[in-house]
Order: sequence, then C-alpha cells, then structure tokens
Amino acid sequence: AQTVTQSQPEMSVQEAETVTLSCTYDTSENNYYLFWYKQPPSRQMILVIRQEAYKQQNATENRFSVNFQKAAKSFSLKISDSQLGDTAMYFCAFMRYSGNTPLVFGKGTRLSVIA
Amino acid sequence: DVKVTQSSRYLVKRTGEKVFLECVQDMDHENMFWYRQDPGLGLRLIYFSYDVKMKEKGDIPEGYSVSREKKERFSLILESASTNQTSMYLCASSSPSTVGNTIYFGEGSWLTVV
Repeated sequence: AQTVTQSQPEMSVQEAETVTLSCTYDTSENNYYLFWYKQPPSRQMILVIRQEAYKQQNATENRFSVNFQKAAKSFSLKISDSQLGDTAMYFCAFMRYSGNTPLVFGKGTRLSVIA
Repeated sequence: DVKVTQSSRYLVKRTGEKVFLECVQDMDHENMFWYRQDPGLGLRLIYFSYDVKMKEKGDIPEGYSVSREKKERFSLILESASTNQTSMYLCASSSPSTVGNTIYFGEGSWLTVV
C-alpha cells in the first residue's frame, strides 16, 4: 500500500518570502502521479500542481514549483513570493497510474502567511 | 465548468439516525469517491466507485455504506450514526480520460452527530 508523509504539521512565512513544504511517499510502483492540493478556510480543495513520475522535469505553475526526487521518493512544494491568499492547508497526494484509483493523502501542512 | 455538488453543507443528526450524504457530478466521470477529513488525520478514503453499481472499500469503510444507481450520483450512508462519525465528508470524482487523471472535489459536508 502507498503512504504519504508530510512531516511539518504547521509552517509560517512572511509575505513575499519563499517557503518549502516537504512530502515523502512510499510506493513500489514505477509510474504514478503526485499532487499538491490547497484547502483554504472555505474548505474547497484546489489543485495546485501535478507531477507525472515518468517526467524528469519538475512541474511549475506560476509561483508554485516542485522538487521531485524519484529515487528519494520526495516531492516538495516551493511557494515563491508568498501572498496572504496562500494561507491554507496543503495536502500532498499520490495516485497510481491506473485510471481507476483514488488519491492517497498525507496529513497536511497548515501554512500561515504573515503580513 | 467542472461541478461536484454535495447536497448538504451542514447537518446535525442524532445518534442512531440513518444519514444520507448525497453527491452529484456533472462531468460524466466514471470514478467517484467519498473521503472523511479530520484534524491531524488528513483525508481518509471511505469508499469509491468506478462504475454504476460498483463499489470498493477504502481505508475506513466500517459504519458506512454507499450507493451508486446512476453514473452522476454517489451516496454515502451512515446506517446508524454515532458521535465518532462527526466529521467533514468530501466527495470527489474523476475520469481516466481526463488529462493527468485530475480529481475534482465538492465543497464538503459538515456532519455533527449528537
């Protein structure tokens, strides 16, 4: 079974600074997807970024980028130029490559952006 | 625009009541999921379904059942609600044909069992 570990329950960052959220996972699969989801106080889950394991290039979406280390099974999220609206719970998630599989989530990291 | 709708945002039920949480998606997705979210525990999978009338147990199915009679609707049923089922419940859907197999979430249903 796959597991996802987020070792930082809470983090804070000053506005405009950069912060990195950690995530490690365990799997015997070779092909899979990794995701970061954001959950603001509204509780709506928002997809931040997605990485396909077979792609060596790290995914980037505007201020959000990942550092994907397949051999180390590590998938960290870097948020640059942090904004107050980035305050949220962030969940790292794993999905097998097969089309009919659920997401396996980590326990989340609560990020607070301070003005 | 993608839409997963959970019919009830906030519910208060009594211990022993039968509770139905309804979820509807308008994207013709094959897969639907029910997760439970608790502080410090993240999201845990209760049940999922990859086709009409099909269901698979997730990590914490005890005390729950599901129904999927139509492709767009996936119901979570608490046969006899208990206080330890007080939680937020998230429904989601996906399709293998979607780029990156993206999963879309509803807004969540807060259930309090008293």
